[in-house]
Amino acid sequence: DVKVTQSSRYLVKRTGEKVFLECVQDMDHENMFWYRQDPGLGLRLIYFSYDVKMKEKGDIPEGYSVSREKKERFSLILESASTNQTSMYLCASRVIQGIATNEKLFFGSGTQLSVL
Amino acid sequence: AQKVTQAQTEISVVEKEDVTLDCVYETRDTTYYLFWYKQPPSGELVFLIRRNSFDEQNEISGRYSWNFQKSTSSFNFTITASQVVDSAVYFCALSRGSSNTGKLIFGQGTTLQVKP
Repeated sequence: DVKVTQSSRYLVKRTGEKVFLECVQDMDHENMFWYRQDPGLGLRLIYFSYDVKMKEKGDIPEGYSVSREKKERFSLILESASTNQTSMYLCASRVIQGIATNEKLFFGSGTQLSVL
Repeated sequence: AQKVTQAQTEISVVEKEDVTLDCVYETRDTTYYLFWYKQPPSGELVFLIRRNSFDEQNEISGRYSWNFQKSTSSFNFTITASQVVDSAVYFCALSRGSSNTGKLIFGQGTTLQVKP
């Protein structure tokens, strides 16, 4: 089975800190995604990566950046954490076999980030 | 604009009751895919089903069934004889665009509580 691992389940940071959220997948998937999940808003796409060193902004990229130096690892960076970035962050990956739009995503268990 | 609406924020049923989770979507694409994901308390979203826009056949998988109706832009999910293990947050999602990016738009999610 595909495994998507997020480094921390819970994280508490202070306003202004630089925060790194790490995600690793073990199935050689090309695509990787970062979402944030907030009550009443569902999942919103922050960034995604087609492949190594390739990235594209999602719907809410402000305040975030990403890094994908190796195929298995996709990092989300909060340059200067703010309280409105308190949220559940979910990483996902996907293999591409033909048409991307019909491929399912494999998710990690999420990182609940609290910014104080 | 593309949008997914899950109007039911929370549903509570007693075990063995049938329950239907509603999903209404908006898109101008002629080709698209719809998904349902389940998020148990562990946090990891799990893929349940994928349906393409050209296939309006209903699908049944054990106690789960899905009703896709393009005429009403709905893709509803029914659990028959619900069980406590069905308690989770359920998300409906729509793949956007005819390009090969396959980014998903998620609904707000419906929290289902099944009481013993």
